[in-house]
Amino acid sequence: EPEVTQTPSHQVTQMGQEVILRCVPISNHLYFYWYRQILGQKVEFLVSFYNNEISEKSEIFDDQFSVERPDGSNFTLKIRSTKLEDSAMYFCASSVAGGGNIQYFGAGTRLSVL
Amino acid sequence: AQKITQTQPGMFVQEKEAVTLDCTYDTSDQSYGLFWYKQPSSGEMIFLIYQGSYDEQNATEGRYSLNFQKARKSANLVISASQLGDSAMYFCAMRERNSGNTPLVFGKGTRLSVIA
Repeated sequence: EPEVTQTPSHQVTQMGQEVILRCVPISNHLYFYWYRQILGQKVEFLVSFYNNEISEKSEIFDDQFSVERPDGSNFTLKIRSTKLEDSAMYFCASSVAGGGNIQYFGAGTRLSVL
Repeated sequence: AQKITQTQPGMFVQEKEAVTLDCTYDTSDQSYGLFWYKQPSSGEMIFLIYQGSYDEQNATEGRYSLNFQKARKSANLVISASQLGDSAMYFCAMRERNSGNTPLVFGKGTRLSVIA
């Protein structure tokens, strides 16, 4: 069964460093998303992406964040200068158009900022 | 105001019994979608079931069913014949403007523990 793949599963970084989280969405999906979940809290939307541009973003998605689809398969989230409060699980999701637009999630990347 | 409310932080159920996880939502949209996801201790988010606001029948997927009561704005998840592997966090989510790539809004979740 096709799945969303995220790498790495765990990323440890120093405060102020840049990190890139990688995702390979399901191949025939057109819509891509990033969400995050701070430990013990609910899942929060960051950004959605369609047709090579951002469709919607939340207040969390400030200038420190960017997304890119550098080739036909990868979808990346970059955090330019990490802060302690960026420590969270980051989920990538993808969906097709129509049919309820079910968003299928990857297994997540746990980001730890020290 | 909370868009999605899950009032049960934790629930226990005996193996092989049925359990209902509550979810209420708040929206003024006519077209919306309701979703349930399971998050085991390993951390991944697993899609379980979907209900569109215009769907007249309650959604079912194997042992999962969604008890959709539109007038009450509730979308409770029913798990029949609970198994030990059902122990996990369960999140209710909603997508307003049910089209395109509108983002999901999640509730705080319910931790389900299945007892042998």
